[in-house]
Amino acid sequence: EVQLVESGGGLVQPGGSLRLSCAASGFTFRNYDMNWVRQAPGKGLEWIAFISSGGTRYSAGSVKGRFTISRDNAKNSLYLQMNSLRVEDMGVYHCARGSTDRQWDYFDYWGQGSLVTVSS
Amino acid sequence: DIQMTQSPSSLSASVGDRVTITCRASQTINSHLNWYQVRPGKAPKLLIYAATSVQSGVPSRFSGSGSGTDFTLTINTLQPEDFAIYYCQQSYSSPYTFGQGSKLEIK
Repeated sequence: EVQLVESGGGLVQPGGSLRLSCAASGFTFRNYDMNWVRQAPGKGLEWIAFISSGGTRYSAGSVKGRFTISRDNAKNSLYLQMNSLRVEDMGVYHCARGSTDRQWDYFDYWGQGSLVTVSS
Repeated sequence: DIQMTQSPSSLSASVGDRVTITCRASQTINSHLNWYQVRPGKAPKLLIYAATSVQSGVPSRFSGSGSGTDFTLTINTLQPEDFAIYYCQQSYSSPYTFGQGSKLEIK
């Protein structure tokens, strides 16, 4: 069974840092692209970062230069290093697995998420 | 970035009803359109990919249609577990943007 379990969220002050982790199991992690998607309170889903199976990275403009996605295939883990956090970064952060379909991109499995609160 | 607009933003229905949610893209995305279900405290769930393909394990009462800029998610014979928020997502070009969500509530 595919499982994605996020951890590392919590309360941080504006300008602070936090590192989220996503533990993957039930599939060959190194073969899959991975993503982080967040949901701000009362708002919709927002894709924020992608890392390919080969290590290519992309991020959304809203977090570029502040957030860094990385992975450790030996540990079956995905990470999101978040620096210079802002109040608007507050929300639930989900990791999501990318499809291996050559023609279509979609996120076929998601974790339940980790809550990040940014407040003084 | 491609803008995705869903309608309605909220709707109420009864168990056994049929409902339709629409999603419009700001430019053509061919059939690169996915639908997800989000229930409180649960992981988001992929329902439909490539506009019309039902993800493995998803009940057959869920279906998708459309191409180009206009898409539809239909749920036949609503079940209690279907009351949730539904999001469309375009995967035509990065960043892969989502609609604002459509909240389906029990009448």
